Amino acid sequence: GAGVSQSPSNKVTEKGKDVELRCDPISGHTALYWYRQSLGQGLEFLIYFQGNSAPDKSGLPSDRFSAERTGGSVSTLTIQRTQQEDSAVYLCASSLVRQNEQFFGPGTRLTVL
Amino acid sequence: TQLLEQSPQFLSIQEGENLTVYCNSSSVFSSLQWYRQEPGEGPVLLVTVVTGGEVKKLKRLTFQFGDARKDSSLHITAAQPGDTGLYLCAGVQYSSASKIIFGSGTRLSIRP
Repeated sequence: GAGVSQSPSNKVTEKGKDVELRCDPISGHTALYWYRQSLGQGLEFLIYFQGNSAPDKSGLPSDRFSAERTGGSVSTLTIQRTQQEDSAVYLCASSLVRQNEQFFGPGTRLTVL
Repeated sequence: TQLLEQSPQFLSIQEGENLTVYCNSSSVFSSLQWYRQEPGEGPVLLVTVVTGGEVKKLKRLTFQFGDARKDSSLHITAAQPGDTGLYLCAGVQYSSASKIIFGSGTRLSIRP
């Protein structure tokens, strides 16, 4: 079956603009995670969804970051008024239940000029 | 605050040599995972260790979870160029079972 997909694969935007990043998890996976990865570094946890609810938003770096998930499937990560320090690869992962093996998408590379 | 420290950060060795990557923390984890990531792709799970002292083998890779569940190691025997990549350890905390804490990664390069 299809894996986790993310779009766009690359996004270049100007400082101050809003961006939306999309994640399509594996069908049937109830848990969905967003991470941020700076160049060649480890992953920074952003937010976790169980179904459509987000019991853990503790990793969102500021109120400019928000995420939603609809229909227990697709999730969108929105960054408002982007800053240069937001430049990174944003990775999405899904799993059948929490703590199980996470399957990652290829990521969206965001560049803020 | 970086809860999981990996060492070394970078490692470049000759094909056929052995190597060990370490993942250390002052925190206790309910389980620990190792992932490998190649350029332009997301991380892929290699193994999950759950029990303190547990050792798991995956072909030439040997993973160990520390007795106190605070640290882990990955040993590769007779490294191959195909082992090249970014290796990430990730710990699941008792206090927040939904959150997995990732280490900073070890970038491994195997020279033919």
